Amino acid sequence: EPEVTQTPSHQVTQMGQEVILRCVPISNHLYFYWYRQILGQKVEFLVSFYNNEISEKSEIFDDQFSVERPDGSNFTLKIRSTKLEDSAMYFCASSPPVSGNTIYFGEGSWLTVV
Amino acid sequence: SQQGEEDPQALSIQEGENATMNCSYKTSINNLQWYRQNSGRGLVHLILIRSNEREKHSGRLRVTLDTSKKSSSLLITASRAADTASYFCATGSNDYKLSFGAGTTVTVRA
Repeated sequence: EPEVTQTPSHQVTQMGQEVILRCVPISNHLYFYWYRQILGQKVEFLVSFYNNEISEKSEIFDDQFSVERPDGSNFTLKIRSTKLEDSAMYFCASSPPVSGNTIYFGEGSWLTVV
Repeated sequence: SQQGEEDPQALSIQEGENATMNCSYKTSINNLQWYRQNSGRGLVHLILIRSNEREKHSGRLRVTLDTSKKSSSLLITASRAADTASYFCATGSNDYKLSFGAGTTVTVRA
C-alpha cells in the first residue's frame, strides 16, 4: 500500500541551527501538509500546500518556517533558526485532490533542539 | 475552533471487551476521521465518516456520527492487546486541514 515516507526519523540539532525535514508524499496526491505534535500534546496543523503554493497556514507557521516542493516527489519543511520549543514530532501528510478525503500521515520526524 | 475533544482521556479494558470512546466538536464539519497512534509512532488512519453519514464499519471498528449533537463515537469490539494505543478524532472542513483532539489512551490488558 502506498505510504508517506519521512526522513530523518530523528534529528538532534543545536538551537539556532537550520533544519530541513523531508517527505515523499503518496504519488498521486496533490495536497500536502505538515503537522506537529509536541510531546504529550495534541497534533497541530502547521501548513497545507497545493499547486506549488501554501493554501493555508496556522499561527505556529511563522517566518522561521518554510515549505518547498523542490521536485516532483519531495516536500520539505525548513526551520530557519531552531528554538528549544520547536522540539516535537513533525508529521508530513498528503491527500487526494478531492475535498473530504482521507489524509494519510507519515511516521514522523522527531526533532530535538538542544 | 472546530477541534474534536475525546472522552474519556484514558481507558483500560480487559482483552476481549469492547472499548468505546467519544468525540465532540464545535462547528460544522465536512468529515470526521479517526486515527490510531502507537507510542512515539505515526498516525494510522482508521476510518473516515462524512457529514451525511451516520454509521460506518471497518472490521472490528464501528464509528457513529451525530451532527445534531456534534459528536462521534468509536467502538472497538473484541479488543486485543495490539489495540493498545492512543486514538484521535480529527474533524475536517472544506479547507482540507484536520483539527485534532487530545486523544483517548486505550490500554488493553491481557
